[in-house]
Amino acid sequence: EDKVVQSPLSLVVHEGDTVTLNCSYEVTNFRSLLWYKQEKKAPTFLFMLTSSGIEKKSGRLSSILDKKELSSILNITATQTGDSAIYLCAAHFGNEKLTFGTGTRLTIIP
Amino acid sequence: GAGVSQSPSNKVTEKGKDVELRCDPISGHTALYWYRQSLGQGLEFLIYFQGNSAPDKSGLPSDRFSAERTGGSVSTLTIQRTQQEDSAVYLCASSLSLGPFTDTQYFGPGTRLTVL
Repeated sequence: EDKVVQSPLSLVVHEGDTVTLNCSYEVTNFRSLLWYKQEKKAPTFLFMLTSSGIEKKSGRLSSILDKKELSSILNITATQTGDSAIYLCAAHFGNEKLTFGTGTRLTIIP
Repeated sequence: GAGVSQSPSNKVTEKGKDVELRCDPISGHTALYWYRQSLGQGLEFLIYFQGNSAPDKSGLPSDRFSAERTGGSVSTLTIQRTQQEDSAVYLCASSLSLGPFTDTQYFGPGTRLTVL
């Protein structure tokens, strides 16, 4: 059964801290892994990772995929209150569907 | 398990036909969301239910799209007179919360709709 597991389920940190969110997957015919930020309406796309070991960066956010370990991490440095959200990880597999994890709820305290 | 389920998993239809997509949320979840994922696109919000009412229908792309929810549980998304651009994966999610988009959403496996 295809599965995506995220940890921790929730995380509370102070503004300025660095956080690392984890995602592991078990899917057949893995194609890519996606990270989304859920604040309102549809989750907004952050990264798509297909190749192992290549870090993707966008400002204070970065992510990397480890296909050997079937996992990915999302790092956020110098966190701000606007980073508070639920971060979703999804695995894209052979038949074009996405399997989502349950998300990590991140709360940034000013 | 007791996760969100959707049916059918795949649906192929001819242009102009009507289709119904079904979502069974997790028992006890009051909020239910419909999204669609088109090839190469991000997730697109369609509609949100709180109980049986839909406070936010702003994402429905046209009047060919409608959705209902009965008994605070099962929801049906109906697309009338389907067009090829309706082809996408339709995802349903549910959450416990009383406030929209504020709680963890549990996603179903999706229905892949192909309009020929």
